[in-house]
This record gives sequence, C-alpha cells and structure tokens, in this order.
Amino acid sequence: EAGVAQSPRYKIIEKRQSVAFWCNPISGHATLYWYQQILGQGPKLLIQFQNNGVVDDSQLPKDRFSAERLKGVDSTLKIQPAKLEDSAVYLCASSLFRASGSIGAKNIQYFGAGTRLSVL
Amino acid sequence: GQQLNQSPQSMFIQEGEDVSMNCTSSSIFNTWLWYKQDPGEGPVLLIALYKAGELTSNGRLTAQFGITRKDSFLNISASIPSDVGIYFCAGPEKNSGGSNYKLTFGKGTLLTVNP
Repeated sequence: EAGVAQSPRYKIIEKRQSVAFWCNPISGHATLYWYQQILGQGPKLLIQFQNNGVVDDSQLPKDRFSAERLKGVDSTLKIQPAKLEDSAVYLCASSLFRASGSIGAKNIQYFGAGTRLSVL
Repeated sequence: GQQLNQSPQSMFIQEGEDVSMNCTSSSIFNTWLWYKQDPGEGPVLLIALYKAGELTSNGRLTAQFGITRKDSFLNISASIPSDVGIYFCAGPEKNSGGSNYKLTFGKGTLLTVNP
C-alpha cells in the first residue's frame, strides 16, 4: 500500500515570496490533515479536511495560509506571502475516517515525509 | 488547548541499555498515542493505548496508559542504533466546535543511541 506522498521535499524561498506544497493521501482515506512542525516542537494541526470539506481550520493563519482539496483526494497548502517564522516542516497526514467520537483504529493518522521550508 | 509535557527532552544512551520516557497532560485523555519520527521523515505510530491502566507491547517497546488518565510511559528495552529518533506522545483534543477530535502532540524526546 502506497503511503502519503508529499512534494517537494525541500523548498527555500525569500520572505514575501509565495510557496505551495502538494499532498496525495493514502488511497481511500477520506480525511486529510496539514501540520506545521517547527524545529524542536511536535506537529501542530493547521487544517483538517473531510473529503473536500474543511472540518477544522482554527489554527490556520488565514491571512497568509490557504489550503484546498477540491476533488476530495489530493490537496495543496499555500503560503502567500511567506514570513521568516514560517520556516518549518509541513507534514501531511491522512486517515480512513475522521475522529468524531474518539481515536480508534479507523482514524489513526498516517504521515508523509514532509516538506522542509526555509524562508530567508 | 491541552498541553502535553514530555520528559526527558533528550537522552544519550549506550546500545543495549533500556530507555524510559514519559508524557503528562494538563487534563484527562481517553487515548494515548506514541509516535516515532526518524530524521527527515514523518512520524510513524508505534503504540496506541485506549484504556486507563492498559499496558501494551510492540516488540521491544512497551507503553502504559496511566491510571489517572493524565500520563503515559514508553519503555524501550535493549536499545539498538536504529532506535535513534524523536519520540512523541499525542492525545486527542476536541476542536472548538466540539464535533471533531484533533491530535495534540508533545514536544518530543530525542533519543541518541551510541553503538
């Protein structure tokens, strides 16, 4: 079974530039997550999709970050314009179902390798 | 939101030694998850705990769900060089709307194993 695919693996940009990341979840997984992982920290959820709808984007800085999952499969996360503090690893994860009750085997999240973003 | 405190922050051990790390939360969790992240990779689930007092093993790894539901422990026996990485605990937290659970992660324990 193919895992969560992310690209690019690395990106270096200057502040105020734009950048986009792409994620293809595990086939058949309805729920997709984007996380930001700053060096020395655990992943922090930015946005969660259920199929092509947003379930939770409460921690997404909406003035500069946007994400879409138009056809309910792959997803893109965009930053425009980037700031120095956006330097981090952006992780995508997917699960079969979302956790509306509690966490169980069917909503365990599987992570991609991430995109490491450096903003200079 | 809930805070997860992991300790120690880092460990440097010799191959063959046993390792113990723990995670505490400011409030009760009904599930505890332990992930490992290798350098340059995403986190991979090691063990999931669903009931207070539960003790679960996965090879050389053993994790326990604390009785108070506010803590969890991960032990690694007879460490080997490939155990190197960052170990994260995580637990579900309800989102602001209360209709969904999201994962909250600790800051991780960095493990280095000297061959």
